[in-house]
Amino acid sequence: GAGVSQSPSNKVTEKGKDVELRCDPISGHTALYWYRQSLGQGLEFLIYFQGNSAPDKSGLPSDRFSAERTGGSVSTLTIQRTQQEDSAVYLCASSLLAGVLTGANVLTFGAGSRLTVL
Amino acid sequence: TQLLEQSPQFLSIQEGENLTVYCNSSSVFSSLQWYRQEPGEGPVLLVTVVTGGEVKKLKRLTFQFGDARKDSSLHITAAQPGDTGLYLCAGPLTGANNLFFGTGTRLTVIP
Repeated sequence: GAGVSQSPSNKVTEKGKDVELRCDPISGHTALYWYRQSLGQGLEFLIYFQGNSAPDKSGLPSDRFSAERTGGSVSTLTIQRTQQEDSAVYLCASSLLAGVLTGANVLTFGAGSRLTVL
Repeated sequence: TQLLEQSPQFLSIQEGENLTVYCNSSSVFSSLQWYRQEPGEGPVLLVTVVTGGEVKKLKRLTFQFGDARKDSSLHITAAQPGDTGLYLCAGPLTGANNLFFGTGTRLTVIP
């Protein structure tokens, strides 16, 4: 597609439920990132998919969080047994190449999925 | 503990004033980027600085990368209401590719 698409744009769930957030990156982009942003603050790195290499999962805050990227395209972020502190905007971004972000290799973000856990 | 600390956290100024936003770290970054984010949208890249000491200008915005590649600044001249937004610095640690973001500076320019 023309841009990074995320769904749902808004999700309200009850504490303890599982949620899935979807990211459809720009077609042909090799690298895909997930970030979490709370209350208009800075972005917290969650996970980075870099082409065919193993993903960098070092930012996932707990084992309740997992993500996969099927066929090198669409990615799903799953949060199990949601807690109120999981409430945030979850942002996905993609870049053409895996590697240093300079020159033409820029990061393009989606508009995010706002998650509210009651 | 944040890898990239930004200051100030909030800034409210009158149209036409100048301002500087700082992005500091104790770690060395191979490059630093600046983004602007508006409500309900994802961050949009403004600039990437790569070389220590590098200065880049984008119209009324001037970006500088510290000599030691641990810090950066964004200077806006004659701020306009359209400059209002959340400004974020970001960079990969040397040798890594995942991108870490700063704590953010929320700028409001009052007409």
